[in-house]
Amino acid sequence: DTEVTQTPKHLVMGMTNKKSLKCEQHMGHRAMYWYKQKAKKPPELMFVYSYEKLSINESVPSRFSPECPNSSLLNLHLHALQPEDSALYLCASARLAGGYNEQFFGPGTRLTVL
Amino acid sequence: AQSVTQPDIHITVSEGASLELRCNYSYGATPYLFWYVQSPGQGLQLLLKYFSGDTLVQGIKGFEAEFKRSQSSFNLRKPSVHWSDAAEYFCAVATRNTDKLIFGTGTRLQVFP
Repeated sequence: DTEVTQTPKHLVMGMTNKKSLKCEQHMGHRAMYWYKQKAKKPPELMFVYSYEKLSINESVPSRFSPECPNSSLLNLHLHALQPEDSALYLCASARLAGGYNEQFFGPGTRLTVL
Repeated sequence: AQSVTQPDIHITVSEGASLELRCNYSYGATPYLFWYVQSPGQGLQLLLKYFSGDTLVQGIKGFEAEFKRSQSSFNLRKPSVHWSDAAEYFCAVATRNTDKLIFGTGTRLQVFP
């Protein structure tokens, strides 16, 4: 299995809803990433988990809450989002083998906040 | 601070024509360099990467890129473009002490038949 999967593909939520995005990989990678990509913009890093521990938080608002229950799974819990949070959310994973760790990206979840 | 510049926001070429997408980076040492492609509504696919060694790098789908240290550039080329190459192309740089990818603003490629 050489891919990163993300569910759901599309999500529409109200500003008072609580929802979660899921990312999964079975490549034995020990680093996982969340990126946010607005329309016609490059991806922006949100969070990095290394060995299931949060290693980077790019000053993301607390209404986004990441979770890494195990080495294969990464969640992003969403609560009280704003319409400007509408974006494509990309997950990536990397091997952590020394040197640069190439990131493999999932197809993304398209989030719309009403 | 590291940065990546893609000077062309939008490029249009005819199918079968050659292609060059420009990328310039700013970094004190030689960084890791990447080109990614993104089709509409899709994730990112790695086309090629440069870490060290031969400055001409071959990638997937017939793409190549050349690292030129003197110009701080890593331009992407393809000798003959196919309609399926229409997509957004991102150049990215990663520093050697972190895994943070810094993306350029992207170039949208449109291919006419």
